[in-house]
Amino acid sequence: GEDVEQSLFLSVREGDSSVINCTYTDSSSTYLYWYKQEPGAGLQLLTYIFSNMDMKQDQRLTVLLNKKDKHLSLRIADTQTGDSAIYFCAENVGNRDDKIIFGKGTRLHILP
Amino acid sequence: NAGVTQTPKFRVLKTGQSMTLLCAQDMNHEYMYWYRQDPGMGLRLIHYSVGEGTTAKGEVPDGYNVSRLKKQNFLLGLESAAPSQTSVYFCASSLPDSTYEQYFGPGTRLTVT
Repeated sequence: GEDVEQSLFLSVREGDSSVINCTYTDSSSTYLYWYKQEPGAGLQLLTYIFSNMDMKQDQRLTVLLNKKDKHLSLRIADTQTGDSAIYFCAENVGNRDDKIIFGKGTRLHILP
Repeated sequence: NAGVTQTPKFRVLKTGQSMTLLCAQDMNHEYMYWYRQDPGMGLRLIHYSVGEGTTAKGEVPDGYNVSRLKKQNFLLGLESAAPSQTSVYFCASSLPDSTYEQYFGPGTRLTVT
């Protein structure tokens, strides 16, 4: 079945880069996503990448996709205290646009 | 635009009670979704709708019913609440050709005692 795996915790010093990793199982996924959830809030779509791309950069965010290994990563440059949140990796299921599978979320903790 | 709104924000129910969670969106989105979020489980899709008058089961539909009588509203019902339904519930919506861009509501925290 479909599954998305990511580590549960990551601690990074302010100003360093954060790298959050994710693996997925559905090789037919069209899109892969990163969502951010701040305490007490809903989910915010940070960025997404089409499966035929290797990399996508958007300001401080860089998404890398290794389709062969089914590995997705999110790099946040110059991590700030405002980046403290839970980050969810997600994939859509095959050609079913209506079904998105989420990972369990990685809690990013910023050290002073 | 208010985006996606959910009511109520918090609710405590006793086992066996019923309630309805309301989701509303003002973006004219065709697709709407209900998820539940549990610690260590991520988000799981309960039910979804691809248009007014249509609903479909997601990953964990048991114990829930939904209705989409109006395009802008998606209701999630619990007929007989159980402690296992204690969770945070998120509603989301999207356009049919942009399902990768789901907009989420702020969540409803439900506790069943």
